[in-house]
Amino acid sequence: NAGVMQNPRHLVRRRGQEARLRCSPVKGHSHVYWYRQLPEEGLKFMVYLQKENIIDESGMPKERFSAEFPKEGPSILRIQQVVRGDSAAYFCASSPAQVDQPQHFGDGTRLSIL
Amino acid sequence: AQKVTQAQTEISVVEKEDVTLDCVYETRDTTYYLFWYKQPPSGELVFLIRRNSFDEQNEISGRYSWNFQKSTSSFNFTITASQVVDSAVYFCALSGLTGGGNKLTFGTGTQLKVEL
Repeated sequence: NAGVMQNPRHLVRRRGQEARLRCSPVKGHSHVYWYRQLPEEGLKFMVYLQKENIIDESGMPKERFSAEFPKEGPSILRIQQVVRGDSAAYFCASSPAQVDQPQHFGDGTRLSIL
Repeated sequence: AQKVTQAQTEISVVEKEDVTLDCVYETRDTTYYLFWYKQPPSGELVFLIRRNSFDEQNEISGRYSWNFQKSTSSFNFTITASQVVDSAVYFCALSGLTGGGNKLTFGTGTQLKVEL
């Protein structure tokens, strides 16, 4: 009865590299959400996806960031050409199709940019 | 737009004291959900409670209790007889149905320090 699985737990990248964060939702959940927590701040919504569709990306920076949730496999948050300001904890959450169901959170990926 | 305000940035108490964490929210949705999460020093998010906007009954779970007041748009969280293990950052959050889905809007969190 696995919960939301995120990997890696910690990721270190140098400026200019790419970061790929993975999220496997709870089995049977078709909705995935990504949130970012900058140091000493609360969580901020980034993107909401359903299988093969981006539903709401209003919180995602327009450049360098992308997200996908393919038909098979985990959801991926990709950050290209990372900069120091991308250092943060990235949390993934999943929920069933019904909109009134609560989200289940993963343990997050801590991204550090050198 | 939705907004959650946690005015208390940091609270320090001595063990066994009661402590209340405040949460005020803004939303135009008529149906919405309110949440509290705990983030201990290890960093994960621990779900504590979800409350439907139509249910204004207060809730008690062990040493935790929640006071939902729609008239003042508040959803306060009280820990009775606090313990050192309660030390964490606590987040209040809100979700509505505007735009589809139920993305969460978080407050900035309250850091609770419980000392011996």
